[in-house]
Amino acid sequence: SQTIHQWPATLVQPVGSPLSLECTVEGTSNPNLYWYRQAAGRGLQLLFYSIGIDQISSEVPQNLSASRPQDRQFILSSKKLLLSDSGFYLCAWSGQGVGSYEQYFGPGTRLTVT
Amino acid sequence: AQKITQTQPGMFVQEKEAVTLDCTYDTSDPSYGLFWYKQPSSGEMIFLIYQGSYDQQNATEGRYSLNFQKARKSANLVISASQLGDSAMYFCAMREGRYSSASKIIFGSGTRLSIRP
Repeated sequence: SQTIHQWPATLVQPVGSPLSLECTVEGTSNPNLYWYRQAAGRGLQLLFYSIGIDQISSEVPQNLSASRPQDRQFILSSKKLLLSDSGFYLCAWSGQGVGSYEQYFGPGTRLTVT
Repeated sequence: AQKITQTQPGMFVQEKEAVTLDCTYDTSDPSYGLFWYKQPSSGEMIFLIYQGSYDQQNATEGRYSLNFQKARKSANLVISASQLGDSAMYFCAMREGRYSSASKIIFGSGTRLSIRP
C-alpha cells in the first residue's frame, strides 16, 4: 500500500532563516506531487505541483520554491522566511493518468515563524 | 474561474442523526470532479468521496454519500447515522479538466462539524 511521509512534524523558525520541508511517497511510482499551505482556520491553498522529476509548476508567487530531485521526493524550501509563511504545510500525491484524481495527503508540518 | 463555496462555518448535530454539509461550485469546464475531505484535529486530510461530472449516479462510500445536483451546481455531503468520531472539519473541493496531467484541486473554506453525545 502507498504511504506518504512528511518531516519535520513541527518547526519553529525565526524570520529570515532558511526552510526545508521534505515529503516522500512509498508504494507507488511516477506520482503527481503537490504542496499545499493551510492558514489557521482556513482552506488549503495549492503552492506547487509536479508531474515528474524536475518538473515543477508554481501556483502562487511567493518566496517559496519546490524541487523534486527523485521520483518520490518533493522538497519545499525558502531562503528567507517571512512571518506570513507560518501555517500548516501539507504534501499530497495522486496517480498519473485519467481517472486517478484523488489526492492523498501526508500528516503535515506545522511551521511557526517568529 | 472555478470556485467552491461552503456556507456553513459550523454545525452541531446529535449523535446518530444524519447530517448534510452544503457545497456549491462554479466552473465553466464541462468536465470536472468534486471531492470531500475530512480533517480531524490532528490535521491530516482524509479523502472521503469523489463524484465525476459525468457520473450518472450519486457517489456513496459507506456512511457517506454525495448528493450531486448538476443543474444547481451543488455537491452536498450526507453522513448517515453520525458518530462522535465524525467531529472534524470537512472540506469540499473541485478539480477541473478530464485529461489534466496533474489533478489540480481547489478547496472550499470548510465546515466544522461537531457531534453531540
